[in-house]
Amino acid sequence: AQSVTQPDIHITVSEGASLELRCNYSYGATPYLFWYVQSPGQGLQLLLKYFSGDTLVQGIKGFEAEFKRSQSSFNLRKPSVHWSDAAEYFCAVGAASSASKIIFGSGTRLSIRP
Amino acid sequence: SQTIHQWPATLVQPVGSPLSLECTVEGTSNPNLYWYRQAAGRGLQLLFYSVGIGQISSEVPQNLSASRPQDRQFILSSKKLLLSDSGFYLCAWSVRKTEAFFGQGTRLTVV
Repeated sequence: AQSVTQPDIHITVSEGASLELRCNYSYGATPYLFWYVQSPGQGLQLLLKYFSGDTLVQGIKGFEAEFKRSQSSFNLRKPSVHWSDAAEYFCAVGAASSASKIIFGSGTRLSIRP
Repeated sequence: SQTIHQWPATLVQPVGSPLSLECTVEGTSNPNLYWYRQAAGRGLQLLFYSVGIGQISSEVPQNLSASRPQDRQFILSSKKLLLSDSGFYLCAWSVRKTEAFFGQGTRLTVV
């Protein structure tokens, strides 16, 4: 069965520091992988997605993620965080089948230290 | 372009009352449709998803049900609400090789 694990519930980093949010997935076939961000009181915004090809994916707002099949991981990274990056981040997994569902992780809340 | 409409935005209902939340999608055909619930510390929990009219998969046993009477309409219902049904409900759609696109959500408070 599909599943997504985000092991970090809450992370605090200093402004300007680098960031890595972890995501591990379980899926029997080739996965489609997504990262979304939700700012307080806002809806969900897609940061980036991986379907196939280059395993390093660039997204909006300076984020990137790397698909590592051997580790079943799709970690999100940013070289230098800004105070406006404080939000909740969700990893999600789907698949190529038209009947596939999209499953989300429990989220990681990111706080930025001034 | 595709759009998704979800209403109402907020809802306060007494325990034991019925519930009906509606979601409609425009600009696409035969989408996969989803109902998620977001509760503090529990992320986005998939409640129901549908790959076609009348085809509903339930992911979590609960007090809720879903129906898809038309291709682009998805309804979340309950006959009798419980306090534990409070939360933020999100409707979403996708098609093959796309991400999920979300509505603005409904904040449900059961009192």
